Amino acid sequence: AQSVTQPDIHITVSEGASLELRCNYSYGATPYLFWYVQSPGQGLQLLLKYFSGDTLVQGIKGFEAEFKRSQSSFNLRKPSVHWSDAAEYFCAVGAPGIISGTYKYIFGTGTRLKVLA
Amino acid sequence: EPEVTQTPSHQVTQMGQEVILRCVPISNHLYFYWYRQILGQKVEFLVSFYNNEISEKSEIFDDQFSVERPDGSNFTLKIRSTKLEDSAMYFCASSEAGGGGNTGELFFGEGSRLTVL
Repeated sequence: AQSVTQPDIHITVSEGASLELRCNYSYGATPYLFWYVQSPGQGLQLLLKYFSGDTLVQGIKGFEAEFKRSQSSFNLRKPSVHWSDAAEYFCAVGAPGIISGTYKYIFGTGTRLKVLA
Repeated sequence: EPEVTQTPSHQVTQMGQEVILRCVPISNHLYFYWYRQILGQKVEFLVSFYNNEISEKSEIFDDQFSVERPDGSNFTLKIRSTKLEDSAMYFCASSEAGGGGNTGELFFGEGSRLTVL
């Protein structure tokens, strides 16, 4: 069965420091991979996605992620964190559903990012 | 840019009451989904819907839940008799028809927060 692991529940970084959030997945084929950000009480905002092709994916807000098949990982990175990046970050793997055309996302448990001024 | 819209944004109800959460998917999308996020936890798949019937559901989606597409634009989630543990953020999502490189992408609404007292 598909699964997503985000090993870090909380991460604290100083503003201006680099950031890497880890995500490991379990899936038999090449998955669709996503990173979402969620501010408290808010909805899910898509940061970036990987379907195929270049394994380094650029997203919004200066984020990027790299798909590494050999490590079953899709880690999110940002070279310089801003205070406004403080939020919860969810990695998700998308896999075809039972019915052709449908997809099911499996989300990780999330990583809460705190940014120190 | 087309988006998935959900109403209400927040609903408070008494235990045992019926609740209907409404969603307007993106107009040319054919696949519809509901996900749930209990406060502080990960986002979980509830149900997918295609061609006017449920295509897949999770173990969470028990007999208290039902989904319907009553007309050409709305997609609803009904909870027949709410329980305290139904308190959560409910996300609607939709995806486009098959074909093309991005058919694995779900577009999420902003969510409807349900509070059961």
